[in-house]
Amino acid sequence: DAGVTQSPTHLIKTRGQQVTLRCSPKSGHDTVSWYQQALGQGPQFIFQYYEEEERQRGNFPDRFSGHQFPNYSSELNVNALLLGDSALYLCASSRLDRVHGEAFFGQGTRLTVV
Amino acid sequence: DQQVKQNSPSLSVQEGRISILNCDYTNSMFDYFLWYKKYPAEGPTFLISISSIKDKNEDGRFTVFLNKSAKHLSLHIVPSQPGDSAVYFCASPTKGGATNKLIFGTGTLLAVQP
Repeated sequence: DAGVTQSPTHLIKTRGQQVTLRCSPKSGHDTVSWYQQALGQGPQFIFQYYEEEERQRGNFPDRFSGHQFPNYSSELNVNALLLGDSALYLCASSRLDRVHGEAFFGQGTRLTVV
Repeated sequence: DQQVKQNSPSLSVQEGRISILNCDYTNSMFDYFLWYKKYPAEGPTFLISISSIKDKNEDGRFTVFLNKSAKHLSLHIVPSQPGDSAVYFCASPTKGGATNKLIFGTGTLLAVQP
């Protein structure tokens, strides 16, 4: 079992550009959540996808959008990048029917905006 | 509004001694709590959880205590080992189970000295 995989692991972008991050969930999981972890902070929830639809959303602007594919993999898109978007972006997968099952995290994508 | 708080940014403990990591929460609706451990360049990994119907949950060297009246939980690691050195996050789902949006604390960096 490969667990949750994210790509790329590191990325450097220029302010104003757009970026796409990718996530493959753990085998058997149907739900993908995205988190942003700024330096010295805990992960902050961006949104969650289930059945190819955004199910929950955190307090992030519309510049942050996502998608889930029929194979449950997911993408996070960020438009018009700001310096403040520099962070570790974490993907977590879970099974929606496992109410008290834990979420499994990928290793993250380190995004640096210059 | 920081609903989950970890007031100690760091903790240093000697190998073999007890490590106690603390977490406070403000939302009385929280009914399930998780601890995650994070090594550098890796995603958070689930460690242990506790439901609000319990006041203690134990798994090997790790025990989590919950004091609902004080809205406080703690993670005890006995005995501490150098491999336990990592950042520890407490988290709670906003509603339902752990597969939902997780609210994380800011983390405590534990350093176990050989």
